[in-house]
Amino acid sequence: QVQLVQSGAEVKRPGSSVKVSCKTSGYNFINYGIGWVRQAPGQGLEWMGGILPIVDRPNYARRFRGRVTITADKPTTTASMELTSLTSEDTALYYCARAGIPNYTPGRDYFDYWGQGALVIVSS
Amino acid sequence: QSVLTQPPSVSAAPGQTVTISCSGSGSNFESDDVSWYQQVPGTAPKLLIYDNTKRPSGIPDRFSGSKSGTSATLDITGLQTGDGADYYCATWDTSLSDVLFGGGTKVTVL
Repeated sequence: QVQLVQSGAEVKRPGSSVKVSCKTSGYNFINYGIGWVRQAPGQGLEWMGGILPIVDRPNYARRFRGRVTITADKPTTTASMELTSLTSEDTALYYCARAGIPNYTPGRDYFDYWGQGALVIVSS
Repeated sequence: QSVLTQPPSVSAAPGQTVTISCSGSGSNFESDDVSWYQQVPGTAPKLLIYDNTKRPSGIPDRFSGSKSGTSATLDITGLQTGDGADYYCATWDTSLSDVLFGGGTKVTVL
C-alpha cells in the first residue's frame, strides 16, 4: 500500500532553516510527483511546491521562491523540503502529498495520498 | 490570500444535505479541474473528489462534486456525524502556475 511517512517535529530559531523529509513506499517513486502543502495553526492549506522525480525539476509557489528547495532522492524514495530564513509565520504543519496522475507536474492534478504532517515551530 | 472563495461554515442536522461552494476567477477555474479534500481536525487532508466530479475508491456516493464556469460545488447528502470536518477546494491556476486552495469550510453536524 502507498505510504508517505514524514520526519518528526522540529523547533527552530528565527533566521534558521528546516528540512522536512517524506519517505515513500508502495509505488513507483520516480513516476509520481510529490507536493508540499503547509497549514499554519487554525488556518487553511497553502501550496509550497513540488517535484516529479523522473524529471527532477521542482516547481515552486511564487511566494516561496528563493526560500524553499524541494528535492527527490531516488535510491531512498524520499522527498525533502527545505525552508530557509524562518520566521514565526513559518510555524505550521508541513505535509507532503503524492500527485494523483503519473508523470504529471505536481499540483496540476490532485493529491491522492498524504503524509501525516511534520510540525515546525519557529520560536526564539 | 486565497482567490478561491468558500463559505467559512455550513451546518445541518444528520440526514440532511449540505452544499459547499467554491468560486474563483476565470483563469483558474475554466481551464483546470477542481478537487476537494476533507480534513478531520488533527489529521491530514483526504481526497474526496477529483477532476470536478470523480470519487476515489472508498469514498461514498453521498459525496458529489460539480463544476460550472467559475464555480464548483461539493454536496454531502445523508449527513452523518462523522462528516463534521473542514473541506477545501483546490485547483491549478494557469496564470500563476500555482495550486490554489480555498479558505476552507467547516461543516458542523447539528
